[in-house]
Amino acid sequence: QKEVEQDPGPLSVPEGAIVSLNCTYSNSAFQYFMWYRQYSRKGPELLMYTYSSGNKEDGRFTAQVDKSSKYISLFIRDSQPSDSATYLCAMSASFGNEKLTFGTGTRLTIIP
Amino acid sequence: SAVISQKPSRDICQRGTSLTIQCQVDSQVTMMFWYRQQPGQSLTLIATANQGSEATYESGFVIDKFPISRPNLTFSTLTVSNMSPEDSSIYLCSDTTSGAMGDTQYFGPGTRLTVL
Repeated sequence: QKEVEQDPGPLSVPEGAIVSLNCTYSNSAFQYFMWYRQYSRKGPELLMYTYSSGNKEDGRFTAQVDKSSKYISLFIRDSQPSDSATYLCAMSASFGNEKLTFGTGTRLTIIP
Repeated sequence: SAVISQKPSRDICQRGTSLTIQCQVDSQVTMMFWYRQQPGQSLTLIATANQGSEATYESGFVIDKFPISRPNLTFSTLTVSNMSPEDSSIYLCSDTTSGAMGDTQYFGPGTRLTVL
């Protein structure tokens, strides 16, 4: 069993829809949870990170962590064609100088 | 956050040869990381590179296959040695720098390697 599971998609939604992206994990030591966005032929770009359980909002993006269920989510409101990318969840036991464990990524397409 | 560049951006190589990938950061960073991203798979950490010490390799990766240099606080190289088609992948370096989201990892654009 992989430490981090993420539905690879692909996921296609119409412009303006709310998108929900999810990851589950098995390692209870994970405390820091990150979402990266990766456009085709580019490196991953950090979108958001959260510590422990709870919600964090940044513009149209909301990250949720439920440590009791070992489940994290990223919501995108009012989705735009420019949101079309692969979204990778990543997590670690400590912050900064620490190995990140990634999900496989979900490929998202927003249809105009 | 620091700006990270990688060279080459892509390459096509023959089986049995070696390729050295360069990673340059525009500010001094303590730790740099090398990841591999194979098609349809997660980013997998190959090794952690500290300046002035030997790189620390993850399980399944060995120095003879992936030698790493870290001569200073802004530069690192990863060599993929004696390549086979299974080494075809995107290779990414990252560093931990203080950015808008604190000390977390930021990635370079990647090197897309195809081995024939």
